[in-house]
Order: sequence, then structure tokens, then C-alpha cells
Amino acid sequence: KNQVEQSPQSLIILEGKNCTLQCNYTVSPFSNLRWYKQDTGRGPVSLTIMTFSENTKSNGRYTATLDADTKQSSLHITASQLSDSASYICVVTLTNSNSGYALNFGKGTSLLVTP
Amino acid sequence: EADIYQTPRYLVIGTGKKITLECSQTMGHDKMYWYQQDPGMELHLIHYSYGVNSTEKGDLSSESTVSRIRTEHFPLTLESARPSHTSQYLCASTPGFTGELFFGEGSRLTVL
Repeated sequence: KNQVEQSPQSLIILEGKNCTLQCNYTVSPFSNLRWYKQDTGRGPVSLTIMTFSENTKSNGRYTATLDADTKQSSLHITASQLSDSASYICVVTLTNSNSGYALNFGKGTSLLVTP
Repeated sequence: EADIYQTPRYLVIGTGKKITLECSQTMGHDKMYWYQQDPGMELHLIHYSYGVNSTEKGDLSSESTVSRIRTEHFPLTLESARPSHTSQYLCASTPGFTGELFFGEGSRLTVL
């Protein structure tokens, strides 16, 4: 069973609107959580990283939050633009792991921003 | 932009052919990965490497091999391609297992 669950699976919003993507995880012990953006036909690119002690991290119009107690994270996109259309992937890293299996990927949320 | 490159970007081949997907990075990262990505699914680990002369198997490693003769180069070989190998293959590198992953643009393989 995947230890990182993302919702919704897909989302369509109008340009200029805000949206929030969710990531719930069961990975433990937890080192950090990253959100990646993957444009169609490209490789994923890191947007934000949060460690256990951080609650909020911003990168321009992207704001990630983390509740380590409930094992939930969200990515909020403000004033969406057409270029925000992409897949957003949540990746949770297992702590104290020296292995390629340290990274746990969600299936991603596909976001489409329409004019 | 990340300095990690994959070739070819797109490839269509027939069943039974042997293919090698190339991946090179200029960041000096020791850790490198190959992932398989299908639409709507999470990335699946195929192989990874701790550094030169180190290769480890992931969940989907049984039908492919990798080598790591140089730090910057991590090619993936399918000895006998099958239609089930049709997928997107992503190469990535990182300075440490808990660090940021830097991905290549991907190689989209279609096996007829």
C-alpha cells in the first residue's frame, strides 16, 4: 500500500483562482516532505521542502503547510496562472535511511488551469 | 535548471530489441536513480547507485541492468524489450538520499 496519498487526483480551475492540493502520509520516521511540479513531458522540479519542525514554507505563489502530528501536508496555489497547469507530486523521505528506498512518492495531482 | 541529461527523449522500437537509455549529470552527485513513471501512478524505483561501481536493485529491476563506471554516467539497459516496457523512464541524482532530487527530462519508450 502506498504510504503517500494525494488528493484530488485531478483538478480544473479558472485562471486567477486559488486552489489547495492535499498530501496524507504514513511514512515514519519522517525526515522531510517535498512538493515537486512536473510539467507535461518534463522531469519533476522541487518547489518546497519542509522538515519535521516546519509548519509553512512559501515559494512565490506556492505555499506548503505541514502538520506532522496528523501527517498531512497541503500545497496552496494563489492567483493561478496557465503555467501552473502540471502534475504536483508529494514526496516523503524516511529518516535515517541510507537507501534508494528512502523516498516515498504520491501519485500526484493533475492540475489544469483554464482561461 | 538541473544539469542532468537523458537521451533519447523518445524511442519507438520492436519487441525483442536491446536498448540503452543514457543519463548523465554534471553536478558531481554520488547518488543516482532510475524510475519508471506511468500515467496516474507513483514513480517506481528501478535501480539506484551509491556511487562509482555501486548499483542496487529496486522493485522493477528484474528485466534491466545498469552500470556506474563514472560518477556522471548511469545508463539503463533493457536486454529484450517487450510491450510491457512501454513507459516514461526518469533518471535523477542527488547529493544525499534525503536531499533534493534533480530529474532529467525523461525518456519515453514505446515497444511495439
